[in-house]
Amino acid sequence: NAGVTQTPKFQVLKTGQSMTLQCAQDMNHNSMYWYRQDPGMGLRLIYYSASEGTTDKGEVPNGYNVSRLNKREFSLRLESAAPSQTSVYFCASSAQYMGNTEAFFGQGTRLTVV
Amino acid sequence: AQSVTQPDIHITVSEGASLELRCNYSYGATPYLFWYVQSPGQGLQLLLKYFSGDTLVQGIKGFEAEFKRSQSSFNLRKPSVHWSDAAEYFCAVGRKNYGGSQGNLIFGKGTKLSVKP
Repeated sequence: NAGVTQTPKFQVLKTGQSMTLQCAQDMNHNSMYWYRQDPGMGLRLIYYSASEGTTDKGEVPNGYNVSRLNKREFSLRLESAAPSQTSVYFCASSAQYMGNTEAFFGQGTRLTVV
Repeated sequence: AQSVTQPDIHITVSEGASLELRCNYSYGATPYLFWYVQSPGQGLQLLLKYFSGDTLVQGIKGFEAEFKRSQSSFNLRKPSVHWSDAAEYFCAVGRKNYGGSQGNLIFGKGTKLSVKP
């Protein structure tokens, strides 16, 4: 089982460049999430999609946009990358948007903005 | 606001020794509680969860955790640590209500576990 698949795994961008991080899940989950992980900061929620057709801002949405393309796919776009967006990005999914539901995580995208 | 505190940023234990990782939470009701583990270069994986009932829950890889309502704690334990347990461990609280910028899972900042041979 593939679970949650993120692409790419590594990326280096120059300041001002744009890129889209892709995420797909094959578990027929309703809810999907994008987190960033920084040393000493833990996981911070960027955006989430509680169900297909809906997206909501998380704790740190500035500088990002998302698209819930269909039930399987949830992409994260950086329109104009900044060094502060250097981070490890994780996509996750869960069967439903409930606090009692296990979340499944992708392996992460390590992004460096120079 | 709800929050999760993991007081220890980094812990080192010897292989074969016992382990306890601390987690305290702030939440207005009995929460849903989770422990996730992140091996180097990997995403997070669920170790165990508590929703209700028996306050001592068993998880994968020989881990267990105990929910103590009076102390607002959900500490993770393992009687004998293996070198492969070296990883970062995250405690999380699941919200019972919908919405909000924190999302449905509130994570602590993590505890990194190193294991000495």
